[in-house]
Formats: sequence, C-alpha cells, structure tokens
Amino acid sequence: EAGVVQSPRYKIIEKKQPVAFWCNPISGHNTLYWYLQNLGQGPELLIRYENEEAVDDSQLPKDRFSAERLKGVDSTLKIQPAELGDSAVYLCASSLGGPSYNEQFFGPGTRLTVL
Amino acid sequence: AQTVTQSQPEMSVQEAETVTLSCTYDTSENNYYLFWYKQPPSRQMILVIRQEAYKQQNATENRFSVNFQKAAKSFSLKISDSQLGDTAMYFCAFMKPPSGNTPLVFGKGTRLSVIA
Repeated sequence: EAGVVQSPRYKIIEKKQPVAFWCNPISGHNTLYWYLQNLGQGPELLIRYENEEAVDDSQLPKDRFSAERLKGVDSTLKIQPAELGDSAVYLCASSLGGPSYNEQFFGPGTRLTVL
Repeated sequence: AQTVTQSQPEMSVQEAETVTLSCTYDTSENNYYLFWYKQPPSRQMILVIRQEAYKQQNATENRFSVNFQKAAKSFSLKISDSQLGDTAMYFCAFMKPPSGNTPLVFGKGTRLSVIA
C-alpha cells in the first residue's frame, strides 16, 4: 500500500513568489494534517481536515497561506507571497479518523527554500 | 496548552550499547497519549512507540522501551542494542484524548548518532 505522497520534494523560489505543495493521503484516510517543521524544531500543526472540512486552522497564517482539500482526498497548501521566513519543511500526514486513536502516517515532506 | 520538552539536543552512542532519550511534558489532562517518532536523515517520520496514559505498564517494541512516570510527567525512550540504522532525529510527542484525531504536539527533538 502506498504511503502519504507529497510533491515536490524540494522547491526553491524567490521571495514574494507564490508556491504550492500537494499531498495525497493514504487511501481511505479521512483526516489530513499539514505540519510546518522549521530547521532544528519539531513539527507544528498548520491545519487539519476531516474529509473536506478544515476543522482546525487556528495556526495557519491566513494572510498569506491557504489550503484546500477538494473532494476530501488530496490537498494543496499554498503560500502567496512567500517570505524568507517561510523556508522550512512542510509535512503532510493522514489518519483514518473517527473517535478512537488512529496512527498518523507522515509523508516525506516538501523542503522549501525562499531566497 | 500542552508543551513537550526534550532537553538533549544531541546524543551519541556506540553500536550495540544502550541509550536513553529524555522527554518531559506539561498538561492538565488526565488521559492522553505519548509517542516517540523517528525521523531519519532525508526520510519520513515514523512512529516508534506509543504509550497510553491510563496504562501503568511501560510500552515496549522490540529494542525500544519507555519509562513513563505520570506523576513526574516524564517519558523517556530507551534503545537497547543500538544499531547504525537508529541514527536519526527522535521526537517526543503528545496527543490529547482522541476526538476526531487531535493533532500531535512535538518536542524540539534529539539528534541521535550511533557510532560504529
């Protein structure tokens, strides 16, 4: 079974340019997470989806970040315009969802460098 | 809000030896989950071990075991018979009682190097 797929793996852009990251979760996983991992830090939640609904986006900087999960499957995270401080790894994770514990499976991440 | 603290930024261990990584956390919850995740260089994060707070027995997974001290809010990871493939960043993480799969709260990580 395929794991969580993310693309691109690496992205280098100039500041003020837009950028988008794509995530395809494990088949059947209703819950999808986007985490931000700064260099030397642990991941921090940006947004969580239950199916197509964003149920926790309190940490998403909405002035420049946006996300969508159309049809409740794959998801796109966008930054416009990018700033130098956005250089980081963007991780996507998914889990089955539901009221009981389900393991979160992580993708390989997209490493963004803003010049 | 929950916080997770890993006080050892870097550690090293000789191959075949035992190493313990430390983690403390702060929460007002009585029931929760604690995790150790492994992130190898340039590879994705994988779950190493999980502990449920209501279980007194420490979790074990092959060479990996934890020492869970609920009153002290301490959750250390012991790796026995260390192998070169154990070289990675290790993150301690906390999750509130699952209600629609709440997100993980991570510590800053410990970089472990296993030396041949």
